[in-house]
Amino acid sequence: AQSVSQHNHHVILSEAASLELGCNYSYGGTVNLFWYVQYPGQHLQLLLKYFSGDPLVKGIKGFEAEFIKSKFSFNLRKPSVQWSDTAEYFCAVNAVRGGATNKLIFGTGTLLAVQP
Amino acid sequence: NAGVTQTPKFQVLKTGQSMTLQCAQDMNHEYMSWYRQDPGMGLRLIHYSVGAGITDQGEVPNGYNVSRSTTEDFPLRLLSAAPSQTSVYFCASSASPGQGGGEQYFGPGTRLTVT
Repeated sequence: AQSVSQHNHHVILSEAASLELGCNYSYGGTVNLFWYVQYPGQHLQLLLKYFSGDPLVKGIKGFEAEFIKSKFSFNLRKPSVQWSDTAEYFCAVNAVRGGATNKLIFGTGTLLAVQP
Repeated sequence: NAGVTQTPKFQVLKTGQSMTLQCAQDMNHEYMSWYRQDPGMGLRLIHYSVGAGITDQGEVPNGYNVSRSTTEDFPLRLLSAAPSQTSVYFCASSASPGQGGGEQYFGPGTRLTVT
């Protein structure tokens, strides 16, 4: 069965620090990969996604992620965080196969707190 | 477009009561899903549907029923509420995975408390 691991459960950074959140998945076939963000009191919004092509994906608000197939990883990065990036971040994976059902499997989330 | 809408926003139930969480989307998406979000556990898939009349179980289906009579609506029914069902419930919809990777659009959530 597919699974998604986010190793950092809680991250605290100062403004302007660089961010990298880890995401690893277990599935040997083709995958679609997503990072979602949930700001306090709000619903999930898509930050970025990878489904083919350039493994370095750029998303909204200066975020990017790199798909490394050999490591089954899709880490999220941002060079300089802002206080407004305080949120919970979820990595999600969808296995692509014939008749894919769009079942997204989520990681447990990483709570990011950015201190001004 | 309203996107994905959910009602109610908040609900308190007593153990044993039943209720239906409503979800609707106006994007003509084939795929719809229900998730529950619990602290430290991320989002877990309850049930999903790949089109009108077709539903299937996700990771945590016990205690919940769904049906999909129209493309737009995907209600989630709690048959006999239990305190373990206290959670935040999110509905999501997406187009076919072949169309851009299957990005899911989420509703605003329903916060359910079972006492």
